[in-house]
Amino acid sequence: SQQGEEDPQALSIQEGENATMNCSYKTSINNLQWYRQNSGRGLVHLILIRSNEREKHSGRLRVTLDTSKKSSSLLITASRAADTASYFCATDASSSNTGKLIFGQGTTLQVKP
Amino acid sequence: DAGITQSPRYKITETGRQVTLMCHQTWSHSYMFWYRQDLGHGLRLIYYSAAADITDKGEVPDGYVVSRSKTENFPLTLESATRSQTSVYFCASRDRYTEAFFGQGTRLTVV
Repeated sequence: SQQGEEDPQALSIQEGENATMNCSYKTSINNLQWYRQNSGRGLVHLILIRSNEREKHSGRLRVTLDTSKKSSSLLITASRAADTASYFCATDASSSNTGKLIFGQGTTLQVKP
Repeated sequence: DAGITQSPRYKITETGRQVTLMCHQTWSHSYMFWYRQDLGHGLRLIYYSAAADITDKGEVPDGYVVSRSKTENFPLTLESATRSQTSVYFCASRDRYTEAFFGQGTRLTVV
């Protein structure tokens, strides 16, 4: 079964609004990563947050991590039509030394102009 | 060119045929991965490799074979393609504890 589960599965907002996506996972992690995928393209890395970090920022992106609840959230502020994409969280489990990343099913974000 | 490349980008094959998808990375990353992406399932890990000659099964390995004789290459073979293997396949590479870099994907259709 997949490590990460994302919520909501789909999100539709107006340009300028904020978008929040949540990710829950099951096991202890080394880090958690967020990726974006534009339609028909490969995944692009957005941000990595380590297990000892609680919050990280990158431009209009803000990621939080709560290891006690095994959850993370991605906030995109002042969204733009170009932010329309699917967003995935991926976990790097600490229980094994395999280096593998397990992905959630993703959140599809639509930003209406 | 630096990066990770997959070939072919598109492939149509018949049921029962053997198909090999290629993946090549130029960074000498230790870890390489194959995922498949299907509607409603997100990305599911097929196989991964921690180094040359070290491979292991992921979540959905049945019907697939991998090899990694060189650090930079990680081919994925469908030994006898089935319609259920119609999917988009992504290769990725990374170093330990860092982000992954993805190829552009191979869209495979089995008819």
